[in-house]
Amino acid sequence: GENVEQHPSTLSVQEGDSAVIKCTYSDSASNYFPWYKQELGKRPQLIIDIRSNVGEKKDQRIAVTLNKTAKHFSLHITETQPEDSAVYFCAASKTDSSYKLIFGSGTRLLVRP
Amino acid sequence: DAGVIQSPRHEVTEMGQEVTLRCKPISGHDYLFWYRQTMMRGLELLIYFNNNVPIDDSGMPEDRFSAKMPNASFSTLKIQPSEPRDSAVYFCASSLGAGVEKLFFGSGTQLSVL
Repeated sequence: GENVEQHPSTLSVQEGDSAVIKCTYSDSASNYFPWYKQELGKRPQLIIDIRSNVGEKKDQRIAVTLNKTAKHFSLHITETQPEDSAVYFCAASKTDSSYKLIFGSGTRLLVRP
Repeated sequence: DAGVIQSPRHEVTEMGQEVTLRCKPISGHDYLFWYRQTMMRGLELLIYFNNNVPIDDSGMPEDRFSAKMPNASFSTLKIQPSEPRDSAVYFCASSLGAGVEKLFFGSGTQLSVL
């Protein structure tokens, strides 16, 4: 079955710097890759997603890139702010044959003021 | 819309007791998912429904776990009997039409089995 690996497990950056979180997936048939942000004690919330027919997607300070050949996708946060501090989860799914969303293990991002 | 509503927010029970977790999906959403979150295993899909019908329950850990969706606005996840290793946060999530795309999560139920 699908396996999603996420790195790093923790990431500390200075406010204003960029943060990059990387994920790899095992099933080449996966075609949907969302990213969720979970603040302490709160629910996971979708922040951005990308489908396999697109290489990059951007929404203000966040962007996601996808390399289908290498089975990698990454989350990029620019001009980080303290409110970006949270746990970020990547996930992968094959939406044309299954609705199982397989999550990575999460990255705890700390933005230092 | 109030979003996905779960109850209770916290549940503390003793080993061997029955536990029932409840979920009200967003009105009009036709997919409902139950996830479990632990430090060791992360976010795991337990079961999902489409139009109130269970589609995939392969993630349900064992027969002690059962889930139902009697109508479009209500689902339950039951653990009977509960064990300390069931302690986790249980999330319900719903989506419209596109399965796992644009999932909306509830606030979760923090379950502690003593």
